Amino acid sequence: QKEVEQDPGPLSVPEGAIVSLNCTYSNSAFQYFMWYRQYSRKGPELLMYTYSSGNKEDGRFTAQVDKSSKYISLFIRDSQPSDSATYLCAMSAEKGGSEKLVFGKGTKLTVNP
Amino acid sequence: NAGVTQTPKFRILKIGQSMTLQCAQDMNHNYMYWYRQDPGMGLKLIYYSVGAGITDKGEVPNGYNVSRSTTEDFPLRLELAAPSQTSVYFCASSVRGEKLFFGSGTQLSVL
Repeated sequence: QKEVEQDPGPLSVPEGAIVSLNCTYSNSAFQYFMWYRQYSRKGPELLMYTYSSGNKEDGRFTAQVDKSSKYISLFIRDSQPSDSATYLCAMSAEKGGSEKLVFGKGTKLTVNP
Repeated sequence: NAGVTQTPKFRILKIGQSMTLQCAQDMNHNYMYWYRQDPGMGLKLIYYSVGAGITDKGEVPNGYNVSRSTTEDFPLRLELAAPSQTSVYFCASSVRGEKLFFGSGTQLSVL
């Protein structure tokens, strides 16, 4: 079993839809969870950062962590064409352990106007 | 404030050639990283550095070398390029922590 699993998609939705992106993981030591957004031909940029279980909301984006199920989600409300990108989950067991980040393979999302 | 700057953006190498991918950051970050991203494979850490003069191997270091003589620069050297090194290479930097700032990448083809 891979350490982090992420459905690569592609996922295509109409503008305004609610989007759900997910990752599962096997290492129960992971405590720090991130979502990076990567536009085509660009480097990833940090979108959301959460610690342990629970929800975090930032505008139209909500990150959710369920450590008991080893499952994390990113929800995008009222999706826009500008949200079209690849979304990568990332996680680590240590605070500040950036050299030990494990990335998912990314899910490619297209939001159609 | 340019952030993380990578050069070149594209490069084609012949098998056996060598080259250096350049990376510079102007945010005074101590940590710098080199990742490669293959289609459908996510980001894999090649090398990282926690400060000038200090480097360490990541998950996939074979075929690569790095040096860190200044806080700003972290070049990645490919010796004897092989087709398996065809990939997109990203440099990133951070203050210690998970928020990585990435450059725009170098697309490398080895033919």
